[in-house]
Amino acid sequence: QSALTQPASVSGSLGQSITISCTGTSTDISGSNFISWYQQHPGKAPKLMLYDVSNRPSGVSNRFSGSKSGNTASLIISGLQAEDEADYYCSSYTRRNTYVFGTGTKVTIL
Amino acid sequence: EVQLVESGGGLVQPGGSLRLSCATSGFIFSNFWMTWVRQAPGRGLEWVANIKQDGSEKSYVDSVMGRFTISRDNAKNSLYLQMDSLRVEDTALYFCAREGRDLDSWGQGTLVNVSS
Repeated sequence: QSALTQPASVSGSLGQSITISCTGTSTDISGSNFISWYQQHPGKAPKLMLYDVSNRPSGVSNRFSGSKSGNTASLIISGLQAEDEADYYCSSYTRRNTYVFGTGTKVTIL
Repeated sequence: EVQLVESGGGLVQPGGSLRLSCATSGFIFSNFWMTWVRQAPGRGLEWVANIKQDGSEKSYVDSVMGRFTISRDNAKNSLYLQMDSLRVEDTALYFCAREGRDLDSWGQGTLVNVSS
């Protein structure tokens, strides 16, 4: 149950687009369409931003989108805004009916 | 409004036990799988355990297998985590979460500090 691999940090300017990658294995990402992304601001609970690779829960901005290819899932944030500065975690439902999270990525607005 | 409120955290010595609770409201608790997730200070999220709607299926992360027990009481709309043989490395903020469309609702967490 090794954590999925994410870059430690990604940065971008206001209005730009950034991509956060999430790399796993055949037992998690490539074998599952239950890939989700969570946003966490300091001192707050995580918030679901995308589920099933690319679906947005009600209320989540369409600036957030997702994709998957092979063992890697990606979160794209377009039109970066100040409130997007946060930690982001990917997650995959595994063949063992468990979840595994990514290592987490800190998004910084330049 | 969906609400999840954790309680039961605190300071405990290594080898000790704690029982966490998660009180829920605003949804039909018995319709959902439920999950515990933890976050060590300054670290990332770690999935801990989950339980099926009727309690008949449970899964755990390897590091807590045999020490932690997840359970639920659908009549009380509550989720529990019994933690025994606690280790220093179990120190974390423990969140409960609803498994709807993935982990779609979270509590604010309860802090467990394992220290001598």
